[in-house]
Amino acid sequence: EAQVTQNPRYLITVTGKKLTVTCSQNMNHEYMSWYRQDPGLGLRQIYYSMNVEVTDKGDVPEGYKVSRKEKRNFPLILESPSPNQTSLYFCASSFLAPSGAHQGQFFGPGTRLTVL
Amino acid sequence: AQSVTQLDSQVPVFEEAPVELRCNYSSSVSVYLFWYVQYPNQGLQLLLKYLSGSTLVKGINGFEAEFNKSQTSFHLRKPSVHISDTAEYFCAVRRKTGNQFYFGTGTSLTVIP
Repeated sequence: EAQVTQNPRYLITVTGKKLTVTCSQNMNHEYMSWYRQDPGLGLRQIYYSMNVEVTDKGDVPEGYKVSRKEKRNFPLILESPSPNQTSLYFCASSFLAPSGAHQGQFFGPGTRLTVL
Repeated sequence: AQSVTQLDSQVPVFEEAPVELRCNYSSSVSVYLFWYVQYPNQGLQLLLKYLSGSTLVKGINGFEAEFNKSQTSFHLRKPSVHISDTAEYFCAVRRKTGNQFYFGTGTSLTVIP
């Protein structure tokens, strides 16, 4: 089954304790992305990756890191989480047509993070 | 930066009535346009997309959207809604020359029996 998986689904942590949220896709997609969803703000892009070893900042990258060492995995790292990073996080992937057009993103189920 | 405006944060509608969810974007360059649906406690699912060609795009679950370049709009429509259409709907844009996606703040559609 084609899917994007995220782990963990729920996480409660404390300020300053480093954490990693994993994301994996089994569709051989080039493009992967992380978003955060906050009430009244919709989804905002944190980081994206066009392919292995190619990453770039989205709209709200401060306080986050990513890496893309393998095509299928795109972990999100919070080196020193703070309460304002409490949010619902989504990973997504998509296929790029030869023209460069996105065919629409597949989203993971989400990770609800609470930073105390 | 790109902006996407969903004009209605909440839309209540009676079952079997038509609905239109509005989306406007700001861009002077060509864009790709998308509508996503989010059911409670789930991730987002692609409803439909406009990449090029015909401005009327048909998607899943009986939804369609029309791209209007002059008005920079991409409104979503359904002629007859069902209870199961109750969900959050997001409009999204990506410029053809860039790689970032921009989402609207969402419209909560509630279908009333």
